[in-house]
Amino acid sequence: GENVEQHPSTLSVQEGDSAVIKCTYSDSASNYFPWYKQELGKGPQLIIDIRSNVGEKKDQRIAVTLNKTAKHFSLHITETQPEDSAVYFCAASRVSYIPTFGRGTSLIVHP
Amino acid sequence: NAGVTQTPKFRVLKTGQSMTLLCAQDMNHEYMYWYRQDPGMGLRLIHYSVGEGTTAKGEVPDGYNVSRLKKQNFLLGLESAAPSQTSVYFCASSYLQWSAEQYFGPGTRLTVT
Repeated sequence: GENVEQHPSTLSVQEGDSAVIKCTYSDSASNYFPWYKQELGKGPQLIIDIRSNVGEKKDQRIAVTLNKTAKHFSLHITETQPEDSAVYFCAASRVSYIPTFGRGTSLIVHP
Repeated sequence: NAGVTQTPKFRVLKTGQSMTLLCAQDMNHEYMYWYRQDPGMGLRLIHYSVGEGTTAKGEVPDGYNVSRLKKQNFLLGLESAAPSQTSVYFCASSYLQWSAEQYFGPGTRLTVT
């Protein structure tokens, strides 16, 4: 089955810095790669996703890049703000297969 | 729209007791899921449903049962709770089966003593 590894497990940055979280996957047939943000005491919420026919996607301060050859994808957050502090999960899935989540990255943005 | 709601929010059980967690969604989604979240383990799929009256096992189904009698509701049951089932449980739903956004509920924190 699919195996998703996510790094780092904890990331501490100063407000205004950039943050990068990386995930690798094992199943070359995976074609959908979402990123979820989980704030304290809440359920995960989708913040951005990318499909395998696209190499990069941006939404304001958030971007995701996908390297299908190397089987890794990354979340980039620019100009971080304290409200970006949360746990971020990556996932990989393909049609008719159970999605696999990474173990999460706790992002701490210091004012 | 309330989205995905879960009841209860918190529960403490003694070993051997039973309980049912209720998930409801008002988005007319066909697909619903139950996950558990443990520290350092991410989200692990317990059971899922691809439509009313259908259920299937996920990655960690042992000790749990589910039912989907109505399209909008997905119930997770623990027949005989064990301390290993102490966790935060999340329900989710989606309009496509897998390669689509999942909408998560706020979670149920369960402690088994």
